[in-house]
Amino acid sequence: QVQLQESGPGLVKPSQTLSLTCAVSGGSISNGHYYWSWIRQRPGKGLEWIGFIFSRGRAYYSSSLKSRVSINLDTSKNHFSLKLTSVTAADTAMYYCAGMGFIPADGTMWFDPWGQGTLVTVSS
Amino acid sequence: SSEVTQDPAVSVALGQTVRITCQGDTLGKYYASWYQQKPGQAPSLVIYGENNRPSGIPDRFTGSSSGNTAFLTITGAQTEDEADYYCHSRDSNGNQVFGGGTKVTVL
Repeated sequence: QVQLQESGPGLVKPSQTLSLTCAVSGGSISNGHYYWSWIRQRPGKGLEWIGFIFSRGRAYYSSSLKSRVSINLDTSKNHFSLKLTSVTAADTAMYYCAGMGFIPADGTMWFDPWGQGTLVTVSS
Repeated sequence: SSEVTQDPAVSVALGQTVRITCQGDTLGKYYASWYQQKPGQAPSLVIYGENNRPSGIPDRFTGSSSGNTAFLTITGAQTEDEADYYCHSRDSNGNQVFGGGTKVTVL
């Protein structure tokens, strides 16, 4: 059973880069079963997809964030990471990592499992 | 791109049935998935694909769709079903999109 755990600084200054890591246990990040994803939730708001990366290394990003986002895999450590540059207070959110399963035949996609989330506050 | 929209809130009497809707242009082409989120917790998957439940999800949760609308139905709602529910699909550009969430209150 795959489990995910986010880690990283809980406080980032405006204009700096937010960096988070998601450790994957119970399975290999290279197994091709998931798109490894980042999703965030601003306080009191809904879910926002940030992007994902497939095991072969190709990443896809939200149109609204793509100029500031990068997601990478580290197969040696079995984890993947998120970097978000030039942060502002609007980037204050709970950040979740998740594995997105898929069925190529009909395009079905779903997010499961999820990490517990990590709260990142952007403030000076 | 397109959005998926949900009603902000619904209420249901204990033991009764409630249906949560999700509307979006691409829902006629792609199945939605549905997530339950309780306060202070990460979202958890309840329905994906045509009507698939992950292990451990009670069969009172069912998924269906008609045209550009997807539905999550809770038949015989329990107090533990009180939560926010989000639908998920993709837009025409391949972006993954979530609905704004529906708060379900069990009376």
